[in-house]
Amino acid sequence: AQSVSQHNHHVILSEAASLELGCNYSYGGTVNLFWYVQYPGQHLQLLLKYFSGDPLVKGIKGFEAEFIKSKFSFNLRKPSVQWSDTAEYFCAADSGGGADGLTFGKGTHLIIQP
Amino acid sequence: KAGVTQTPRYLIKTRGQQVTLSCSPISGHRSVSWYQQTPGQGLQFLFEYFSETQRNKGNFPGRFSGRQFSNSRSEMNVSTLELGDSALYLCASSLGPGLYNEQFFGPGTRLTVL
Repeated sequence: AQSVSQHNHHVILSEAASLELGCNYSYGGTVNLFWYVQYPGQHLQLLLKYFSGDPLVKGIKGFEAEFIKSKFSFNLRKPSVQWSDTAEYFCAADSGGGADGLTFGKGTHLIIQP
Repeated sequence: KAGVTQTPRYLIKTRGQQVTLSCSPISGHRSVSWYQQTPGQGLQFLFEYFSETQRNKGNFPGRFSGRQFSNSRSEMNVSTLELGDSALYLCASSLGPGLYNEQFFGPGTRLTVL
């Protein structure tokens, strides 16, 4: 079965710092990868997704992620964070075709200090 | 366009009871997926419905069931509630089945089992 691990459960950064959140998945075959964000009091929303093609994907609000197949990784990055980026971030994967739904990581709680 | 709506938003039940949660997808979306979110296990896939048929099911006991109606609205039912069923239950809708269609999440139903 697919599993997804996120390295950091809590991250605290100052505004303008660079961000990288780690994500590793276990499935060795075709995989689709996602990052979701949940802002305080709001719904889960999709930040970005990778299905195929260019391994560097760009999402909303200046976020990007890089798919490295050899490392089974899909790390999320942002060059300069803002206070409004404070949220819970979830990495998710499916084994292609969605047969088992999305498998989520446990999430990373990001706090940006002004 | 209205988002995914879930009712009720909060629910308190006692052990042994049963509960029904409702999800109305975004207009035009025909696929509905359900997830359980707990602090310990994170987000876990329950099942997916498309065209009134259960397409996929996660690793949950038979006490968890669901259905989808002809208007794509979906309900999930949990019978013989246990304390461990306390969780946030999230519904997500998408245009079609599988995960090549972006999933849009609702606000969730917070179930507390006493």
